Amino acid sequence: SQQGEEDPQALSIQEGENATMNCSYKTSINNLQWYRQNSGRGLVHLILIRSNEREKHSGRLRVTLDTSKKSSSLLITASRAADTASYFCATAPKTSGSRLTFGEGTQLTVNP
Amino acid sequence: GAGVSQSPSNKVTEKGKDVELRCDPISGHTALYWYRQSLGQGLEFLIYFQGNSAPDKSGLPSDRFSAERTGGSVSTLTIQRTQQEDSAVYLCASRLGTWDDSGNTIYFGEGSWLTVV
Repeated sequence: SQQGEEDPQALSIQEGENATMNCSYKTSINNLQWYRQNSGRGLVHLILIRSNEREKHSGRLRVTLDTSKKSSSLLITASRAADTASYFCATAPKTSGSRLTFGEGTQLTVNP
Repeated sequence: GAGVSQSPSNKVTEKGKDVELRCDPISGHTALYWYRQSLGQGLEFLIYFQGNSAPDKSGLPSDRFSAERTGGSVSTLTIQRTQQEDSAVYLCASRLGTWDDSGNTIYFGEGSWLTVV
């Protein structure tokens, strides 16, 4: 199995609700990043959390990191239809230099 | 340019032909990555450049795949004798910083969608 596995694979919610996506990984990391992808094209960086941080906020985004459980969560509050996209976590393992390893992603659908 | 630029956006090629995909990273970014993404899947790492050298090319799936980077800027990913399983979006990304500084944001291009028929 691979580094950076998102859960759930797909999530469908109504506008205004909160969306929570989880990511698990297997090896020690330098940092963990969340990306968003619209329609299978370029990825947009959302937020980076370092291994010595436990929580980070950016606008409507809240990311947590639990290195003891090797897991992270991305919370999007007050979701909008425009948040509909695929969300990926990416880890920078300590042993792989600069490579980012991506999970399979969570497809989020926000219904108006 | 302001962002990572990739060309072509879309490429349809016949099985057995060679293709070249180009990536123009953000000016000044020393690190450059190629990833591949099949439909509905996650990103598969292919190769990483720091300057003109490739310290990590472990993700290249076969010897039909090669990449080069010249002048510390533009990179070309070449796929020889294309196969149908090569059909995917090929994403390029760049980052400011050295190989052991993974804290800087990676910026992705829009990708090149390759279809092998």
